[in-house]
Amino acid sequence: EVQLVESGGDLVQPGGSLRLACAASGFTFTNYGMSWVRQAPGSGLQFVAAIKGYVDRTEYAGSVQGRFTISRDKSKDTLYLQMNSLRAEDTAVYYCTKQMDDSTSTYDSWGQGTLVTVSS
Amino acid sequence: DVQLTQSPSSLIASVGDRVTITCRASQNIGIYLNWYQQNPGKAPKFVIYRASNLESGVPSRFSGSGSGTDFTLTISSLEPEDFGTYYCQQSYTTPTFGQGTRLEIK
Repeated sequence: EVQLVESGGDLVQPGGSLRLACAASGFTFTNYGMSWVRQAPGSGLQFVAAIKGYVDRTEYAGSVQGRFTISRDKSKDTLYLQMNSLRAEDTAVYYCTKQMDDSTSTYDSWGQGTLVTVSS
Repeated sequence: DVQLTQSPSSLIASVGDRVTITCRASQNIGIYLNWYQQNPGKAPKFVIYRASNLESGVPSRFSGSGSGTDFTLTISSLEPEDFGTYYCQQSYTTPTFGQGTRLEIK
């Protein structure tokens, strides 16, 4: 059974940094692309960042490009999201997602989410 | 970015009803359209991929159709567990989601 367990969400001041982690199990981590998707309070879903499985090619939403970095540790089956220069509009539940394969952004498994609140 | 517009934004229906939700893309995305269901306080659940393919374990009362710019999700006979918010999402280019359709019980 696929399991994705996020951690690292917290209250942080504007301009601050935070690193989210997602521990993956139940599948061969290196074979699949992984993504972060977020949901602001009372709002819809928004793609944040993605990383391929076989090669560490990354993609970002324009709103986080240059501030966020997605990475993965294949030895620990863990996905990360380093978030810098945080803004109030980054406040959201961040979901770790597994893609169906390495090439298409189709999210067949989701974690339970971790809440990031950016506020002074 | 590809914009996805869902209609209706909200829908009230009864158990046993047939329901259709529409998703329109701002450009041709082929069949690269997926559907998810989300219940309050929960993570989204994967329902349909590539417009018409049912995810394993999803009941056959769910179906999807469409290609190009116009897509539909149909539930043939609503069950209590089908209520929630449905999102379409395109995987043709940098991913985007529709704004959601909230399906409520009458």
